[in-house]
Amino acid sequence: GIQVEQSPPDLILQEGANSTLRCNFSDSVNNLQWFHQNPWGQLINLFYIPSGTKQNGRLSATTVATERYSLLYISSSQTTDSGVYFCAVGTYKYIFGTGTRLKVLA
Amino acid sequence: EPEVTQTPSHQVTQMGQEVILRCVPISNHLYFYWYRQILGQKVEFLVSFYNNEISEKSEIFDDQFSVERPDGSNFTLKIRSTKLEDSAMYFCASRKTGLATDTQYFGPGTRLTVL
Repeated sequence: GIQVEQSPPDLILQEGANSTLRCNFSDSVNNLQWFHQNPWGQLINLFYIPSGTKQNGRLSATTVATERYSLLYISSSQTTDSGVYFCAVGTYKYIFGTGTRLKVLA
Repeated sequence: EPEVTQTPSHQVTQMGQEVILRCVPISNHLYFYWYRQILGQKVEFLVSFYNNEISEKSEIFDDQFSVERPDGSNFTLKIRSTKLEDSAMYFCASRKTGLATDTQYFGPGTRLTVL
């Protein structure tokens, strides 16, 4: 089956710093989504991005499907950005990566 | 914007008891999913459901689990005899079409605690 790897596993930033999270996947996929899991455990959809680039405020994402990776950029990080970021890939069911745990310090 | 909803948000049960987790998918969606996340681990696929049948299930989805669409709006996950290791966050998701490129929409999750 498809393997999904995320890096780095943990990231600590000072408020205001920028960061890049990476998601590598082992096979061609039709869907890719980025999620933020908040402290209450809810999955918040950030981007649906099987290819190309999208931006939403301080967040942006790029997927290069031919090279099987996606990047999530967080600029000017805030403490509320803390949590776990997951990418999920698949065609009819999603395979989730192991996540990047982000902590933003005030 | 339409949302997937799940109830309850948190369920506490005794080992061996039956639990039913409920989901209301987005109204015009046809494909439904359950995923599970054990604390500190990644989210794992359990089962997909379409046209009142299971489309695919993972090896986690054993005989203790069942899914049902009892009416036109609800989608349920039943665990017949809960075990301690069933403690997890359970997410429901729905998708409008069978197109491979269609997005899945996730609910907020139900936290199940088995004592």
